[in-house]
Amino acid sequence: EVQLVESGGGLVQPGGSLRLSCAASGFTLSSKWMSWVRQAPGKGLEWVASINPDGSAEHYVDSVRGRFTISRDNTKKSLYLQMNSLRGEDTAVYYCARLYETRTIYDYWGQGTLVTVSS
Amino acid sequence: DIQLTQSPSFLSASVGDRVTITCRASQGISNALTWYQQTPGKAPKLLVYDASTLQSGVPSRFSGSGSGTEFTLTISSLQPEDFATYYCQQRNSYPITFGQGTRLEIK
Repeated sequence: EVQLVESGGGLVQPGGSLRLSCAASGFTLSSKWMSWVRQAPGKGLEWVASINPDGSAEHYVDSVRGRFTISRDNTKKSLYLQMNSLRGEDTAVYYCARLYETRTIYDYWGQGTLVTVSS
Repeated sequence: DIQLTQSPSFLSASVGDRVTITCRASQGISNALTWYQQTPGKAPKLLVYDASTLQSGVPSRFSGSGSGTEFTLTISSLQPEDFATYYCQQRNSYPITFGQGTRLEIK
């Protein structure tokens, strides 16, 4: 059974940093593109970043480029999102999601982890 | 960036009704359009990809159609578990974008 379990969310002050993790099981992580997608409270879905299977290619939404870094450790079966210079508008539930084949179609999602940026 | 506009944003319907949600893209995206269903407090669930391909395990009352800039998701006969929020998403080009969502509520 495919499972994605996020962790690392919490309350952080503006300007602070946080590292999210996503533990993958039930499939071969090293063969899959992965993404982070977020959802602000009461709002819609927003794609944040994607990474290719070996970690050599990354894509970001403009609003986080230069502040967030997506990475992976296939030996640890884990995906990460390093978030720096956090702002109030980064407050959201962050989902880890698996891409179907090589196309950006999200066939499995984690349960999400809440990040709150507030003083 | 490709913008996706869903209509309506809110829909009230009854069990057994047939409903259609529209997603319009700001430029042509061929068939690179996906539909998700989300219930409160849960992660989105994949329903339809490549505009019209039903994901395995999704009931056949769901169907998708369209290409280019206009797409639809149809539920042929609403069931109680279908009352949720629906999102379209394009994968034609980065940045990946989602529609604003359509909230489907029980009348």
